[in-house]
Amino acid sequence: DVKVTQSSRYLVKRTGEKVFLECVQDMDHENMFWYRQDPGLGLRLIYFSYDVKMKEKGDIPEGYSVSREKKERFSLILESASTNQTSMYLCASSRFGQGAKGYTFGSGTRLTVV
Amino acid sequence: SQQGEEDPQALSIQEGENATMNCSYKTSINNLQWYRQNSGRGLVHLILIRSNEREKHSGRLRVTLDTSKKSSSLLITASRAADTASYFCATFVSPGANSKLTFGKGITLSVRP
Repeated sequence: DVKVTQSSRYLVKRTGEKVFLECVQDMDHENMFWYRQDPGLGLRLIYFSYDVKMKEKGDIPEGYSVSREKKERFSLILESASTNQTSMYLCASSRFGQGAKGYTFGSGTRLTVV
Repeated sequence: SQQGEEDPQALSIQEGENATMNCSYKTSINNLQWYRQNSGRGLVHLILIRSNEREKHSGRLRVTLDTSKKSSSLLITASRAADTASYFCATFVSPGANSKLTFGKGITLSVRP
């Protein structure tokens, strides 16, 4: 069964820590995405990547960076975690040009910054 | 920036009834997709309808698209308690290397047994 795997379901980090959220897909998809989801705000795109070593800012990139050294792995980095980054983080992947089958999502990482 | 907006925000129905959820969007699109999210989990792709299609079916799901009104509806027939989830519409504006989906805020569907 093809999938997108996020390394942690739940994370608790302290303010100021550097946080890495990892996402791996086994579908050989070109595109990968990081969203955050907050009550009442829906899904907001943080960063996406359409190729290895390529990245594009989404709607809310401030306070985040990403890394894509290998096609299957897309990492989201919180350089200095803050309490307003407490959220559910969702990774997704898709074929080049989005494709006819939509995005495949991971199960999400619920991050709490204390 | 949110492209799609779902309506209603929350819907509660009895098992066996049909559930209708609506989505409106602002700009021309290449396709529109519906996703489902169970509590605390990731989103699952349900169905995609292209801009040149008007209606599409998949099992108990029926999606319509009216590009003149920039709106779509998702109908779930003969609902089950297991359909309880959040439903999101997402619009795809154009193909290309760095194209992306834009999601609405979602509809919470509760199906009472």
